Amino acid sequence: AQRVTQPEKLLSVFKGAPVELKCNYSYSGSPELFWYVQYSRQRLQLLLRHISRESIKGFTADLNKGETSFHLKKPFAQEEDSAMYYCALSGLRNTGKLIFGQGTTLQVKP
Amino acid sequence: DAGVTQSPTHLIKTRGQQVTLRCSPKSGHDTVSWYQQALGQGPQFIFQYYEEEERQRGNFPDRFSGHQFPNYSSELNVNALLLGDSALYLCASSFSGRLSTDTQYFGPGTRLTVL
Repeated sequence: AQRVTQPEKLLSVFKGAPVELKCNYSYSGSPELFWYVQYSRQRLQLLLRHISRESIKGFTADLNKGETSFHLKKPFAQEEDSAMYYCALSGLRNTGKLIFGQGTTLQVKP
Repeated sequence: DAGVTQSPTHLIKTRGQQVTLRCSPKSGHDTVSWYQQALGQGPQFIFQYYEEEERQRGNFPDRFSGHQFPNYSSELNVNALLLGDSALYLCASSFSGRLSTDTQYFGPGTRLTVL
């Protein structure tokens, strides 16, 4: 079965602390993995995708096929990082159907 | 470019009624996907339209149907509404090749409440 699991509903850290948002997936093939972010009163937007290997707003994510994980990391959290984060996967060649996890709310305290 | 737009913003219906939601894709995009997001959950894929045809469908009943117009805009129709259909409905647009789809850009959503 195709599934994305984000085990934490809420992650609360202090400003300047490291952040790791966990994402595990189940997929029988080679998926493409994404992180989407939704800031307060804004629409869902792409943060990063594993094939581009970019660092966006200081966030990085490495696809670990052995552990079927795609954790999102940032070394020093900022208050403006507070948002809802969704991990999502799509099939090979990104055929369009995104499967989302339930989301993790990141709260960065001053 | 306003990006992906959706209308209406909010909608209240009663059980058994029918509803139509609308989506205009981002300029240059030819593919529209629809998602349902229940409170506290991640978005769930309903279906995707490309070249005016349903290309892929998620695990939703036939009460959910859609359409894509020649200008690439799309409608989502839901018949015989149930209380459980209350959710935020998201539209996402992208540009497709024949076998692949680029990054999906999301609209602000339509909040549907069924009483």
